Amino acid sequence: QLQLQESGPGLVKPSETLSLTCTVSGGSISSNTYFWGWIRQPPGTGLEWIGNIYHTGTTYYNPSLKSRVTMSVDTSKNQFSLKLSSVTAADTTLYYCARISGTKNDAFDIWGQGTMVTVSS
Amino acid sequence: SYELTQPPSVSVSPGQTASITCSGDKLGDKYASWYQQKPGQSPVLVIYQDNKRPSGIPERFSGSNSGDTATLTISGTQAMDEADYYCQAWDSSTVVFGGGTKLTVL
Repeated sequence: QLQLQESGPGLVKPSETLSLTCTVSGGSISSNTYFWGWIRQPPGTGLEWIGNIYHTGTTYYNPSLKSRVTMSVDTSKNQFSLKLSSVTAADTTLYYCARISGTKNDAFDIWGQGTMVTVSS
Repeated sequence: SYELTQPPSVSVSPGQTASITCSGDKLGDKYASWYQQKPGQSPVLVIYQDNKRPSGIPERFSGSNSGDTATLTISGTQAMDEADYYCQAWDSSTVVFGGGTKLTVL
């Protein structure tokens, strides 16, 4: 059973860069059937898509975050990563990584448990 | 930018049918997915490609999509179905989520 696990600092200072990693276990990140995404959810509110990445490194970002987002993939470690620069308190939220399935018309079919990131000095 | 609109809340009595709508410009020309999220848990895919259920999702969950509206229908709603539900679609290469609907079973 494929699983996703987010990791990274739970506290980031304002204006610094948030860095998170998603480790994929129980399957290969290099499958051509799937690709990978980041989504965030402020406490008590809805889901916001951050971006997607293919194992080839091709990325697509939310236009509202594009100027601050960088995603990368490390196939040797079966991981993909998110960097969000110039963070503010508005970036304090729960961050999820997820698998996007080509066999399910590109739906997010497996999600990590999420990791909370707080932006504070 | 493309937007998906959901009602903030829907209430249903146990055993009755719950319908949650998701509206977007020509949404019927796209595929809609639906996610269930219970408090403190990650979202779970319950419907993809408008009306298909992933393995393990009960048959009481169904979906439709036509015109500007996609609908998630839960037949014979159970207390365990109380949760937030989010619709999602693709607009070109970007992902759009609806604002979410809190389903209350009372």
